[in-house]
Amino acid sequence: GDSVTQMEGPVTLSEEAFLTINCTYTATGYPSLFWYVQYPGEGLQLLLKATKADDKGSNKGFEATYRKETTSFHLEKGSVQVSDSAVYFCALPTGTASKLTFGTGTRLQVTL
Amino acid sequence: DTEVTQTPKHLVMGMTNKKSLKCEQHMGHRAMYWYKQKAKKPPELMFVYSYEKLSINESVPSRFSPECPNSSLLNLHLHALQPEDSALYLCASSRTGLDQPQHFGDGTRLSIL
Repeated sequence: GDSVTQMEGPVTLSEEAFLTINCTYTATGYPSLFWYVQYPGEGLQLLLKATKADDKGSNKGFEATYRKETTSFHLEKGSVQVSDSAVYFCALPTGTASKLTFGTGTRLQVTL
Repeated sequence: DTEVTQTPKHLVMGMTNKKSLKCEQHMGHRAMYWYKQKAKKPPELMFVYSYEKLSINESVPSRFSPECPNSSLLNLHLHALQPEDSALYLCASSRTGLDQPQHFGDGTRLSIL
């Protein structure tokens, strides 16, 4: 079945450091891919998405490129801020009713 | 500001109580979802409604009873819950069809005494 694998956290970075959170997937066909972010005490927010191979999704300085050849969708940001501290989930839709398969989540902590 | 509104934000109830969680969206989405999220885990899908009809029940115990009174509202009725049901309950909505992103509310944090 479809699945998503994310790197284990937590990831601790200093402000202005470069961020990569790895995400690989197994899926039938070529579904859209999503990154969601969950700030403390809140629900999930869609951060970015890509709908087909080689698409690059971007938002708030974050980017991720849909790589069919490596079945990956790694999240990157060139310079993180303390306000980026949150849990990040990679996800893909599965089945016939927009079910989302989530990765385990990666907690990011950014310090001054 | 989230476009999916959930009430209450916090709920404490005993194992014999009956309570309801409410969710509302005004984005015209015709698919709505309930998720359960335990600490440090991803959300787990419970129910999916499509055009106000239940389309997916992920083998959820009958002490959880969903209801979709109209295209904007989704309820989750709770009765005789167990301590292990303590969690964050998230509602989401989306356009219908595969590949549509879901929009989440901020959740109801439920504690069972």
